[in-house]
Amino acid sequence: DVKVTQSSRYLVKRTGEKVFLECVQDMDHENMFWYRQDPGLGLRLIYFSYDVKMKEKGDIPEGYSVSREKKERFSLILESASTNQTSMYLCASKDPGTSGKSEQFFGPGTRLTVL
Amino acid sequence: SQKIEQNSEALNIQEGKTATLTCNYTNYSPAYLQWYRQDPGRGPVFLLLIRENEKEKRKERLKVTFDTTLKQSLFHITASQPADSATYLCALDHGSGNTGKLIFGQGTTLQVKP
Repeated sequence: DVKVTQSSRYLVKRTGEKVFLECVQDMDHENMFWYRQDPGLGLRLIYFSYDVKMKEKGDIPEGYSVSREKKERFSLILESASTNQTSMYLCASKDPGTSGKSEQFFGPGTRLTVL
Repeated sequence: SQKIEQNSEALNIQEGKTATLTCNYTNYSPAYLQWYRQDPGRGPVFLLLIRENEKEKRKERLKVTFDTTLKQSLFHITASQPADSATYLCALDHGSGNTGKLIFGQGTTLQVKP
């Protein structure tokens, strides 16, 4: 079974801190994603990576950056955390296959609170 | 821009009945649509994928329909059980080739009462 792990389930940070959220998948998937999930808004794509060192902005990239130095690891960075970044952060991976039509595998999520 | 709407109100049904959840979309013609289940405090789990040229897909007690004319998908759970209580998300392909990017609805919470 595909396993996607995230470094923390719960995280509390102060405004202005630099925050790193780590995601690791064990199935050699090329595509990895970072989402945030807020009540009433659903999952929104922050960043996407389709290969090592390759990244693409999602729908809400402002205030975030990412790093993909190894295929299995995709990190989300909050350069200077703000209270409006309090949210549930979900990482996902998928095998692009030949058509892209395959499911995404999600990690358990990190609930980040910025005080 | 693309828009996906799921009924934001929780759906409460009695055990044994069929639950029907709706996913509507506008300004878009997706090549496929997916449904996920999410339990509280956990990540979504994939359930079913249906392609634009498929009208219906089944998996055990689950059935998904995809009407590209109405721009709507229906998700049915037959003989529902309390263990089916969860939030169900529909997701459409982002339309960006083979990237596999998805656009998610906000989800509908299903509560099955014994």
